[in-house]
Amino acid sequence: GENVEQHPSTLSVQEGDSAVIKCTYSDSASNYFPWYKQELGKRPQLIIDIRSNVGEKKDQRIAVTLNKTAKHFSLHITETQPEDSAVYFCAPSSGTYKYIFGTGTRLKVLA
Amino acid sequence: EAQVTQNPRYLITVTGKKLTVTCSQNMNHEYMSWYRQDPGLGLRQIYYSMNVEVTDKGDVPEGYKVSRKEKRNFPLILESPSPNQTSLYFCASSLSTAGIYNEQFFGPGTRLTVL
Repeated sequence: GENVEQHPSTLSVQEGDSAVIKCTYSDSASNYFPWYKQELGKRPQLIIDIRSNVGEKKDQRIAVTLNKTAKHFSLHITETQPEDSAVYFCAPSSGTYKYIFGTGTRLKVLA
Repeated sequence: EAQVTQNPRYLITVTGKKLTVTCSQNMNHEYMSWYRQDPGLGLRQIYYSMNVEVTDKGDVPEGYKVSRKEKRNFPLILESPSPNQTSLYFCASSLSTAGIYNEQFFGPGTRLTVL
């Protein structure tokens, strides 16, 4: 089955610095690459996604880059703020209805 | 307001006592899914439904049942709960159809404790 790994599992950055989280997957048929953010005690919410025909997508301070050859995609957050502190999950999906989530990355933005 | 609702939000029960967690969405989504979230393990899919009367197993279906009699509702049934089913459960829905994926909208979660 699909194997999804996220790195790092925890990440601490100073406010204003950048953060990068990487998601590696095994299924070469994956064609949808979302990132979800889960704040403490809240539900996961989509923050950005990309499809396999696009290499990069940006939305204000967040961006996602995709390397299909190497089978990984990354979440980039620039100018980090305390409200970016949360757990982030990737969930690459292929041509089935199953979703496999990564184990999550806990991001702490230090003021 | 477009939303996914779950009930109850918190539940403490005992081993073997059947329970149902309800999930409802008002967005006319065809796809619905149940996940459990445990520390260090992320979100693991239990069951999903592509449409009314169509369901399939996710990665961790053992000990759970689901049904999809109506488009808006997707209840999760634990026929004989055991302590290892203590977890945080999320229901989600999406416009996803065959081969085309979209954002999943999650419910607020149900924290279940089985003693």
